[in-house]
Amino acid sequence: KNQVEQSPQSLIILEGKNCTLQCNYTVSPFSNLRWYKQDTGRGPVSLTIMTFSENTKSNGRYTATLDADTKQSSLHITASQLSDSASYICVVSAGYQKVTFGIGTKLQVIP
Amino acid sequence: DTAVSQTPKYLVTQMGNDKSIKCEQNLGHDTMYWYKQDSKKFLKIMFSYNNKELIINETVPNRFSPKSPDKAHLNLHINSLELGDSAVYFCASSRGRGGSGNTIYFGEGSWLTVV
Repeated sequence: KNQVEQSPQSLIILEGKNCTLQCNYTVSPFSNLRWYKQDTGRGPVSLTIMTFSENTKSNGRYTATLDADTKQSSLHITASQLSDSASYICVVSAGYQKVTFGIGTKLQVIP
Repeated sequence: DTAVSQTPKYLVTQMGNDKSIKCEQNLGHDTMYWYKQDSKKFLKIMFSYNNKELIINETVPNRFSPKSPDKAHLNLHINSLELGDSAVYFCASSRGRGGSGNTIYFGEGSWLTVV
């Protein structure tokens, strides 16, 4: 069964600090992995997308890594800002149609 | 310029009623989706249409019926609403099929509350 598990479920950090969110998956066959940011009351917005051959991809202060051997991904946020407070969702695709969402990590950045 | 727009944003209705949520995308995408996000914030796909053709139909009660009059629109009609249907419903679209690496663009969500 295709599954995507994220940790931690929630996280509180001080503004300016870094943090790392984890995603483990059992999706097969692996096609790609994406990280989305979902602000409260809004729809998810894509941050990064990585295929099998990509290990790292950055989008501003967001850096995603992928280890296809261990089936793990991480999202690192540098110098966090209050606007980073949101849920971060890991999404893994198997083939061309099957897309499995993680439950997300709720991040709160406090001043 | 709203890429994926859905209406209404909020909907409160009684059990047993029939309601529709409309969705339109102006991105020129071929594929549109409906997702349901429950109280635990878990997003789950319900339907996917590619060029007006149904390509994904997850295990969803047949009270839910998607309708795609053209590839820019995918409406969701729900019959005989039940309390358990209360959730946030997201419309989304992508160029090509979502699993193929194309970014999926989401609408702002429609908050459905059944009382």
